[in-house]
Amino acid sequence: QSVLTQPPSASGTPGQRVTISCSGSNSNIGVTDVSWYQQSPGTAPKSLIYRNNQRPSGVPDRFTGSKSGTSASLAISGLRSEDEADYYCASWDDSVGGWVFGGGTKLTVL
Amino acid sequence: QLQLQESGPGLVKPSETLSLTCTVTGGSVSSRIHHWGWIRQSPGKGLEWLANIYYTGHTHYNPSLRSRITISVDTSNNQFYLDVNSVTASDTAVYYCARDDISTGFHGPLDYWGQGVLVTVSS
Repeated sequence: QSVLTQPPSASGTPGQRVTISCSGSNSNIGVTDVSWYQQSPGTAPKSLIYRNNQRPSGVPDRFTGSKSGTSASLAISGLRSEDEADYYCASWDDSVGGWVFGGGTKLTVL
Repeated sequence: QLQLQESGPGLVKPSETLSLTCTVTGGSVSSRIHHWGWIRQSPGKGLEWLANIYYTGHTHYNPSLRSRITISVDTSNNQFYLDVNSVTASDTAVYYCARDDISTGFHGPLDYWGQGVLVTVSS
């Protein structure tokens, strides 16, 4: 059981907008930043969103992050086939004294 | 460009110690605005954070694994390490090393990751 809660799956058709939620608590998301990671099959996770809503250079602006209270979400607009991947939210947890991850959401582009 | 590269044995016997090295190039483990960490992913499963270390040797450990893991750093070789002792089949996973940006005073993001190394625990 992951400390952060994500839906196990999400799907959409090309061009659609999909949103992935991430629910935490006042020891993690509620008190610090959320980051999101994209992992394509057989590859290492890649930083997608940091500090709740910032994109590293090279990440398209189709990817947007937001945070409210103890929850966060990742929105992907203009869905493309190459967006098919696993997406993980993460945050530092003051109670754990370390990083906690969501269980991951498998995004399927239909 | 910063790169991290994990190395270690691909196969470890049950009850033995798994030892991994992360070599950092294009940057320094002595950076004052970064921690360095290990994360693993069991086959078909999600990401599990194991430990972080600062160049001073200050560490953070996953409480569920604290008794079995040790993270260390060697600034002269620009490497950091992970030992997991008394391994079982449940320690079979891809092990990643990553850089943790603490420039804001908070942890995150994990902005650079190694490609990962698969470690199988089996006799």
